[in-house]
Amino acid sequence: GAGVSQSPSNKVTEKGKDVELRCDPISGHTALYWYRQRLGQGLEFLIYFQGNSAPDKSGLPSDRFSAERTGESVSTLTIQRTQQEDSAVYLCASSPQGTGPQYFGPGTRLTVL
Amino acid sequence: GQSLEQPSEVTAVEGAIVQINCTYQTSGFYGLSWYQQHDGGAPTFLSYNALDGLEETGRFSSFLSRSDSYGYLLLQELQMKDSASYFCAVRDASGSARQLTFGSGTQLTVLP
Repeated sequence: GAGVSQSPSNKVTEKGKDVELRCDPISGHTALYWYRQRLGQGLEFLIYFQGNSAPDKSGLPSDRFSAERTGESVSTLTIQRTQQEDSAVYLCASSPQGTGPQYFGPGTRLTVL
Repeated sequence: GQSLEQPSEVTAVEGAIVQINCTYQTSGFYGLSWYQQHDGGAPTFLSYNALDGLEETGRFSSFLSRSDSYGYLLLQELQMKDSASYFCAVRDASGSARQLTFGSGTQLTVLP
């Protein structure tokens, strides 16, 4: 079966532009997470979706960041008016119910010039 | 809030045993996980401890002591392919209690 997929794999943008990152979780996984990983650092939690419950947005660093998920499928992470400090790898993960192991996608490497 | 501490780097030779420690501070605690990440790759799940004691999975073992807020990952019979970053992560009672808070990672280098 397919794992978690993310697109694009790489994104280069100019400061001030908006970007949209996509995540396709493993089919049947109700929980979906977004993380940010700066070079040489650990994973920073951004947002968590569980089924049809209200998302946990407590990790979003500013109001320029937002994410949506349609049901238990695709999620998009949007960063508006990108800044150079947004440059990082954005990782998506899914898990069957939110309490077990998380399965990560390959990430989107975002570079803001 | 929560915080985790783990060594930034560990070096060992092929065939050896290495232990990567992790100490944590959390408001409530549901479990300690370990993930492996090769350069440029996605983190992959290795192990999970919710209760005290040792969990063994092949060459990898993970230990937890809740009273000491401490755990470790033990890698035996090291192979070159084990060179990677290893992250401990806790699930705690803050927020939605489904979040994982990750440590900064330990870069393991296995030498021939």
